[in-house]
Amino acid sequence: EAGVVQSPRYKIIEKKQPVAFWCNPISGHNTLYWYLQNLGQGPELLIRYENEEAVDDSQLPKDRFSAERLKGVDSTLKIQPAELGDSAVYLCASSHTNEQFFGPGTRLTVL
Amino acid sequence: EDKVVQSPLSLVVHEGDTVTLNCSYEVTNFRSLLWYKQEKKAPTFLFMLTSSGIEKKSGRLSSILDKKELFSILNITATQTGDSAVYLCAVAVGNEKLTFGTGTRLTIIP
Repeated sequence: EAGVVQSPRYKIIEKKQPVAFWCNPISGHNTLYWYLQNLGQGPELLIRYENEEAVDDSQLPKDRFSAERLKGVDSTLKIQPAELGDSAVYLCASSHTNEQFFGPGTRLTVL
Repeated sequence: EDKVVQSPLSLVVHEGDTVTLNCSYEVTNFRSLLWYKQEKKAPTFLFMLTSSGIEKKSGRLSSILDKKELFSILNITATQTGDSAVYLCAVAVGNEKLTFGTGTRLTIIP
């Protein structure tokens, strides 16, 4: 069974530039999560989707972050414009029941 | 605000030692507690605990939950260098949101 796929694995951009991350969840998993993980910290939830509906986006900084999951499968997380403090690993996870399976993450560096 | 606290933050032991990692929590509408192992990339699932006092075991790893005292422990016996990783504890609440602790960084010295 293929796991959660994320791309790119690494991204380096200059501040004020836009950036987008892509996630393909495990087939059949209706719930998709985007997390942010800073160095030395646990993952923090940004947004959770049930199919194509964002059911929890309370932690998403909506002034610069946006996400979509148009057909209830793949998802894209965008930052525009990126700031230095956005440097982190962005993890995508999917679940069918309670167990969440994580992708390898995208490590973003903002210069 | 939901809170998950792990201790110690880091631990260095010799191969063959036994370690105990701690996780305490304060959340509203507890559903389950999960342990993950994170090496250089994605967290990988270890255990999910929902009931007090029932030990879950997988090889040299075991975990137990105390819902009265609001904590869980993860034990690793006969540690190996491949056990070196960050161990994350997370608590799932009623709306399925996971709150993670900061993790315990375990280093096994050969």
